[in-house]
Amino acid sequence: AQSVTQLGSHVSVSEGALVLLRCNYSSSVPPYLFWYVQYPNQGLQLLLKYTTGATLVKGINGFEAEFKKSETSFHLTKPSAHMSDAAEYFCAVSDLRGNQGGKLIFGQGTELSVKP
Amino acid sequence: GAGVSQSPRYKVAKRGQDVALRCDPISGHVSLFWYQQALGQGPEFLTYFQNEAQLDKSGLPSDRFFAERPEGSVSTLKIQRTQQEDSAVYLCASSIYNEQFFGPGTRLTVL
Repeated sequence: AQSVTQLGSHVSVSEGALVLLRCNYSSSVPPYLFWYVQYPNQGLQLLLKYTTGATLVKGINGFEAEFKKSETSFHLTKPSAHMSDAAEYFCAVSDLRGNQGGKLIFGQGTELSVKP
Repeated sequence: GAGVSQSPRYKVAKRGQDVALRCDPISGHVSLFWYQQALGQGPEFLTYFQNEAQLDKSGLPSDRFFAERPEGSVSTLKIQRTQQEDSAVYLCASSIYNEQFFGPGTRLTVL
């Protein structure tokens, strides 16, 4: 079975500071990994994804994440936080190799606050 | 450019009522997923369609939950005899290749 653990339900940073949101996964097969962002009363928007190939993936809005198989991690980073980055962030894992149709298993989410 | 749309956006039901939630996927997307997101939690998988075939319904919490996609496009999630624990946001996503596109969700409140 697959699972995702996001360390820290709330993270607060100052504007311009580094953003680091942690995600660890468990999967018996090579995973597909995703980060989504959710703004209040909106659906989820894909920030970035790892499927195969380069382990450092770049996404929208200046975010990037690195797949580290040895650490079973897929942490999300951004060098300089903007006020507009304040939102809920979800890490998710998927196995498209089975017959599950690529259903996503989500972590509990991390709420990012950005202080002026 | 139309994304995934869901209706209604908000639904208030009295306990015991039946509700129907609609999802209009992106045109041409074969796969469609339903998720349930409780307050302060991550979304949890409910069910999956490939065209009109429901290939996985392992996440449906009880037999009060029923989903259909009769023509392989629009999908409806029906909840019978709603209970307070059914209060949540219900998200629909349609998929192409390995990326899922989410709708805005329907917030269901059961009183």
